[in-house]
Amino acid sequence: ETGVTQSPTHLIKTRGQQVTLRCSSQSGHNTVSWYQQALGQGPQFIFQYYREEENGRGNFPPRFSGLQFPNYSSELNVNALELDDSALYLCASSQVTTRTYKNTGELFFGEGSRLTVL
Amino acid sequence: GNSVTQMEGPVTLSEEAFLTINCTYTATGYPSLFWYVQYPGEGLQLLLKATKADDKGSNKGFEATYRKETTSFHLEKGSVQVSDSAVYFCALSAWLKTGGYNKLIFGAGTRLAVHP
Repeated sequence: ETGVTQSPTHLIKTRGQQVTLRCSSQSGHNTVSWYQQALGQGPQFIFQYYREEENGRGNFPPRFSGLQFPNYSSELNVNALELDDSALYLCASSQVTTRTYKNTGELFFGEGSRLTVL
Repeated sequence: GNSVTQMEGPVTLSEEAFLTINCTYTATGYPSLFWYVQYPGEGLQLLLKATKADDKGSNKGFEATYRKETTSFHLEKGSVQVSDSAVYFCALSAWLKTGGYNKLIFGAGTRLAVHP
């Protein structure tokens, strides 16, 4: 089984630029979530996608946007980058079923994309 | 609201010492609870989980018991190894809507350093 893969692994941008991060979900998973992990902190929920629609959103401004594609892969886009956007961006996938008793909430994470904004 | 509080690190231990990392939570309803581990330069790996009160999650010698009465999920290991050096995150599952859609709420993480 293929795990969650993310690209690029590292990138450097300057303030005001735009960035796109990509994620391929684990085989068999239909839901993708994105998290931001600032240095020395726990991951913070950005948003989740299910069936190509945003399913929930954390406390992040609209310049953080995303997409999910029919093959369940996903993109995270950040516009007008700010210095505080420097962080490790983690993608996580899961399989959500209509049999809700089977949904334990477990997420499977990729290794992340480390973004540095100068 | 939902939140997770972990003991601050770093925790520094000698090899074969006993480990406890405290985790308490605040939540509405009955969340699932998780411990994730992050090795240097890597993403998060699930270490163990518990989905209901009194469940004990265990993996690789680590254990944690879901204690509803004390709202706690402390991580323990009887004998740590140098290879256990990592950052450990406690997390709870908060449901976005009915139907199983969820987000994880993480604690700030506890860094563990094990010396030979």
